[in-house]
Order: sequence, then structure tokens, then C-alpha cells
Amino acid sequence: EVQLVESGGGLVQPGGSLRLSCAASGFTFSNYAMHWVRQAPGKGLEYVSGIVSNGGSTYYANSVKGRFTISRDNSKNTLYLQMGSLRVEDMAVYYCARGNTALGYWGQGTLVTVSS
Amino acid sequence: DIQMTQSPSSVSASVGDRVTITCRASLGISSWLAWFQQKPGKAPKLLISAASSLQSGVPSRFSGSGSGTDFTLTISSLQPEDFATYYCQQTNSFPWTFGQGTKVEIK
Repeated sequence: EVQLVESGGGLVQPGGSLRLSCAASGFTFSNYAMHWVRQAPGKGLEYVSGIVSNGGSTYYANSVKGRFTISRDNSKNTLYLQMGSLRVEDMAVYYCARGNTALGYWGQGTLVTVSS
Repeated sequence: DIQMTQSPSSVSASVGDRVTITCRASLGISSWLAWFQQKPGKAPKLLISAASSLQSGVPSRFSGSGSGTDFTLTISSLQPEDFATYYCQQTNSFPWTFGQGTKVEIK
């Protein structure tokens, strides 16, 4: 069974940093591109970042470019999102998702709260 | 970035109704379009990929069509469990942008 479990969310002050993790199991992690998608309270889905299966290419939404870094460790079956210079508007539930051409599996999400 | 525009933003419908949601891309995306269903407090669920390919386990009352810039999600006979928010997403080019969502509400 495919499982994606996010962790690392919590309360952080504006300007602070946080690292999210997504532990994957039930499939060959190194065969799939992985992604982060977020959803602010009461709002729609926003694509944040993606990374190809071997980690060789990464992609970002303009809203996070230069502040967030996506990475993966295929030996640990884990996806990461390093978030810096956090803003109030980054507050959201962050989901990791698997997919080479569509986001077929999602985690349950982890909440990031940005507040002073 | 490719902009995705869904319409309507919300629709009120009754059980048994036919519901159609449209999604328009700002640039041609071939058939690289997915549809998701999301219920409150839950992660989105992939319904359709490649514009018209129904995912395993998804009821056949859901269907997708279109290519290029214009796409449609149709629910042929709305069931109680279908009341939710629906999103389209293009996967033609990064970043994989979403539409703003369509909330299907009970009439």
C-alpha cells in the first residue's frame, strides 16, 4: 500500500525557517517524481514545488522561488521541503504527492502556521 | 506560468442532476490535465488524468473530455457523496498549476 506521511509542520515566526519531511513507503520511491502542494485555510490548492525521480531537476512556484528548496534522499525514501524567509501568506496545510504525470497519491498533510 | 480558469466557482445541484465543470488553460496543454475531488479536511483525490482517463475505483458517472485549452468534467448523475470541491490541474509544464476550484453544493 502506498503511504506518504508528512511531518515537520508547526508554528514559526515570520522570517523564520522550517523543514518539512515526507516519508514514503509501499512503492519504489526512486522511480517517481515527487511534489509539494499547499492549501491555505479556506482557500484552493497551490502547487509549490516538484523534483524529478533522481533529484536532477527541481521546479518551484514563483511565490516560493528563492525561499524554498525541495530535495529528496532516495536511500531513505524521503522527500524534503526546506522553507526559509517564511511569510504569513505561507501559512497552509502542506501536502506531499507522488506522480510522474499526475498526482495519484497524497499524504494527509502537515500544518504550517506563520505568526508572531 | 500557465493559468487555469475553472467555471463556475460554485454550483448548486440536486441528487440525480447532471453537473458540468469547465477548465480553460491560458496556453495549449495537449491532454495534460487532471481532475481532483476534495472533501473538507481531506487530501485531494485524483479522479481523472490525461484529460479523460478515469482512475481505478472512480465511478463511471465521472467523465472528462477536452484537449488543447478547453476541458470538461461531467458528473452524469450526482450522488450524495459527490458534494465536494473539484479542481483541475495542468501537468504540461512546471509549475503544475491548479484551477481555483468549483464547489458542488446541495440545492
